[in-house]
Amino acid sequence: ETGVTQTPRHLVMGMTNKKSLKCEQHLGHNAMYWYKQSAKKPLELMFVYSLEERVENNSVPSRFSPECPNSSHLFLHLHTLQPEDSALYLCASSQDLGDNEQFFGPGTRLTVL
Amino acid sequence: SQKIEQNSEALNIQEGKTATLTCNYTNYSPAYLQWYRQDPGRGPVFLLLIRENEKEKRKERLKVTFDTTLKQSLFHITASQPADSATYLCALALYSSASKIIFGSGTRLSIRP
Repeated sequence: ETGVTQTPRHLVMGMTNKKSLKCEQHLGHNAMYWYKQSAKKPLELMFVYSLEERVENNSVPSRFSPECPNSSHLFLHLHTLQPEDSALYLCASSQDLGDNEQFFGPGTRLTVL
Repeated sequence: SQKIEQNSEALNIQEGKTATLTCNYTNYSPAYLQWYRQDPGRGPVFLLLIRENEKEKRKERLKVTFDTTLKQSLFHITASQPADSATYLCALALYSSASKIIFGSGTRLSIRP
């Protein structure tokens, strides 16, 4: 595997379910990101991790809980989501924070019923 | 209020012509600006980065300009090809936090043969 991978690619869940999104980067990068992309809206930065420490949390509801166990893996734990949380969730990584290009995964298409 | 605006409508260009996409921003002091390409069902792919003290950047058929007085970046694709059809996103990185990237909503570009 190369680049940034995300699993699952598609997820349908009920509002009472608990699920997790997984991201893995094989690039040796130190920074990882979670973004939300809703239809006809700009990409929204949700969380930023640098060297496994969270450095940014953009007022994201607590029903989204990130976890970064090591520099290669990033999780987004989901619980009691709302239908408006349905979106494409994208993971990205970069060498460091700052002026480096971000490498994006293919995303997880989430549908909340 | 702070805003990033890209061409709101889809852009249709004849093959071989130059496509020009705009990114305007207000009330930001960006450290640098990036352009990404996104194809349907995929994550964005980095194209070019231009810093606030640079006027122009080139990469093969791509050219980006950055005018901090006008608060505008222009993205040009010369000798456009149908394979260039995609959505193009601009993203600003703010001085206040190198980890804070703000994306525009994107412009969908279609190149007709």
